[in-house]
Amino acid sequence: DTAVSQTPKYLVTQMGNDKSIKCEQNLGHDTMYWYKQDSKKFLKIMFSYNNKELIINETVPNRFSPKSPDKAHLNLHINSLELGDSAVYFCASSLAGVSYEQYFGPGTRLTVT
Amino acid sequence: GENVEQHPSTLSVQEGDSAVIKCTYSDSASNYFPWYKQELGKRPQLIIDIRSNVGEKKDQRIAVTLNKTAKHFSLHITETQPEDSAVYFCAASRRAGGGGTSYGKLTFGQGTILTVHP
Repeated sequence: DTAVSQTPKYLVTQMGNDKSIKCEQNLGHDTMYWYKQDSKKFLKIMFSYNNKELIINETVPNRFSPKSPDKAHLNLHINSLELGDSAVYFCASSLAGVSYEQYFGPGTRLTVT
Repeated sequence: GENVEQHPSTLSVQEGDSAVIKCTYSDSASNYFPWYKQELGKRPQLIIDIRSNVGEKKDQRIAVTLNKTAKHFSLHITETQPEDSAVYFCAASRRAGGGGTSYGKLTFGQGTILTVHP
C-alpha cells in the first residue's frame, strides 16, 4: 500500500492556467507538508498543516492555496501559473510535527509553458 | 531563520571508499538533524537522523556525528557501493511549539550529489 500518494504525477500546462495537485496519506499522521524542489534540486518548505490547521506558510505567493479537508488529505491549488512555478512539488507527512521522520509522496512534476 | 549550508555539492568516490558530507547550521536552538537520500527521479527518504542530546549515531554503514558547539553535523558512509549513488540532503529543525508536537519547519541543505564508481 502506498503511504503517501500524489496525483497527478506529471502536469504540463500553459501560463495563466489554474491547476490542482492532490495528496493523501494512509499513515494516520497528524502533520502534512508541501515542498517545492527546483531545477537545482533545492527542497524548500511551502506549507505545513497539523490536523487540518495551517501551521506554516513560508512566504508563498497568494496564487498558491493549500486546503486540508481532513488530516489525511492536503491539496494544493495554484492560480495564474507562471513559468517560475515549474518544479517538482512533494507532499509529505509526519507523525506529529517536524521532529519526526517525514514520508514523502512520489512528487508531481509541473511544467509551465 | 535557520540557514543550513552543505558541502561538498558533488562527491565522487570509488566503490569501497568512504564518503563524508558536512553541514553547518545557524540556529543554536535547532535540535533535530535528519539526513535524506534521493535517488534519481524518486522521492527523498530518511536514512538516519540525530537529536541534539546525542553526539553520534550509527546504522550499519552509515553514521552521523553532531557537534553542537560548532553547529555542524556530518554524514559518514563507509564501504560505499554503486547503489549509494544519489543526492543526499541534510536538514535541521527546532521545536517551536508546546506539548508533543513541534511546529517548526525543516530547513534543508543544498544537497550533495554522490557518485560511487564501480
